[in-house]
Amino acid sequence: AQSVTQLGSHVSVSEGALVLLRCNYSSSVPPYLFWYVQYPNQGLQLLLKYTSAATLVKGINGFEAEFKKSETSFHLTKPSAHMSDAAEYFCAVSGRDSSYKLIFGSGTRLLVRP
Amino acid sequence: DTGVSQDPRHKITKRGQNVTFRCDPISEHNRLYWYRQTLGQGPEFLTYFQNEAQLEKSRLLSDRFSAERPKGSFSTLEIQRTEQGDSAMYLCASSLADNTEAFFGQGTRLTVV
Repeated sequence: AQSVTQLGSHVSVSEGALVLLRCNYSSSVPPYLFWYVQYPNQGLQLLLKYTSAATLVKGINGFEAEFKKSETSFHLTKPSAHMSDAAEYFCAVSGRDSSYKLIFGSGTRLLVRP
Repeated sequence: DTGVSQDPRHKITKRGQNVTFRCDPISEHNRLYWYRQTLGQGPEFLTYFQNEAQLEKSRLLSDRFSAERPKGSFSTLEIQRTEQGDSAMYLCASSLADNTEAFFGQGTRLTVV
């Protein structure tokens, strides 16, 4: 069965500092991987996705993630945090069956200090 | 087209009452998904449709839950005899069948008192 683990329910960074949000997955075959962002009382917005093309994926708002098969990881990074990045971030995995249903991690809340 | 629309945004109901939520997907999307998100957790898959056919249901979807997509356009999710444990955000997403990217609505927050 597939699963996603996000290390750290809360991450706090200073404005302008590097953002690193960790995600590890478990899957018997290379899955599709996603990062979503959720602002309070809102739905989820796709930041980026990995579907077996380039292992370094660039997304919106300056975020990027690198797929590392040997480490079963898909960590999200951004070189310089902005106050507007404060939100909940979810890593998700989708199998290569035809459903494309998503299995989410428990989320990481990013706090950005001025 | 303004994206996936869910109605209502908020619903407060008494335990034992029935509630129904509506989701309008992006117009050309033939896939529609329902997820449930409880406080402090990631969303959990409930069910999905391709056109009007319900292709998969999670074991989370008890007999009190039913979802329909009668004409392959909008969908409804009904919960009968609500329980306090049903309190959650219910999220709808849509996509094209051959595309991994799902677009989410803003959700319906259900509070059962």
